[in-house]
Amino acid sequence: RKEVEQDPGPFNVPEGATVAFNCTYSNSASQSFFWYRQDCRKEPKLLMSVYSSGNEDGRFTAQLNRASQYISLLIRDSKLSDSATYLCVVNVGAGSYQLTFGKGTKLSVIP
Amino acid sequence: DTGVSQDPRHKITKRGQNVTFRCDPISEHNRLYWYRQTLGQGPEFLTYFQNEAQLEKSRLLSDRFSAERPKGSFSTLEIQRTEQGDSAMYLCASTARGTNTDTQYFGPGTRLTVL
Repeated sequence: RKEVEQDPGPFNVPEGATVAFNCTYSNSASQSFFWYRQDCRKEPKLLMSVYSSGNEDGRFTAQLNRASQYISLLIRDSKLSDSATYLCVVNVGAGSYQLTFGKGTKLSVIP
Repeated sequence: DTGVSQDPRHKITKRGQNVTFRCDPISEHNRLYWYRQTLGQGPEFLTYFQNEAQLEKSRLLSDRFSAERPKGSFSTLEIQRTEQGDSAMYLCASTARGTNTDTQYFGPGTRLTVL
């Protein structure tokens, strides 16, 4: 089983749609969770951290369920500029600083 | 530009040649990371420095790979006797001391093509 698994995608949605991405992780000791965004042929950029209590940043909402080892990202009112690959990222902590990335889910927002 | 910088941005080499990449982290960031990303995959961790000390190495970092950060500032990643399977984007990231150590800021990457 891969350490971080994401919906395979791609997701093609019309502008204004709501889209949800799901992610599961295998290491129950994981301590930190993130969503990164990566545009084509660019570097990953932090979109948001994910907390157990859930967190929201404008049109983006992230949720974490530690019991199910599940992370989600919801994008409301999709914009053309949201088109990118969304990477689910986990850090196991315990003195390790490496990030473990999922393969990413590609989102295309269509006019 | 005060972000992470990497040089070169692109490198084309022939199989068997050695290549070296450079990463300049954000000023005063004491932690520096190298990742590799192949097409259709997420980045994979290679190694991590805290100041000049190399504290973590992935099993992906074969003996053909070596990384240094001699003065705790910039870092170099060298690949000896390159193979076609080394073709990938090599990403560098850095993190500041005293902040959320997991918020890693990535550079633009060096895209390596081995012919």
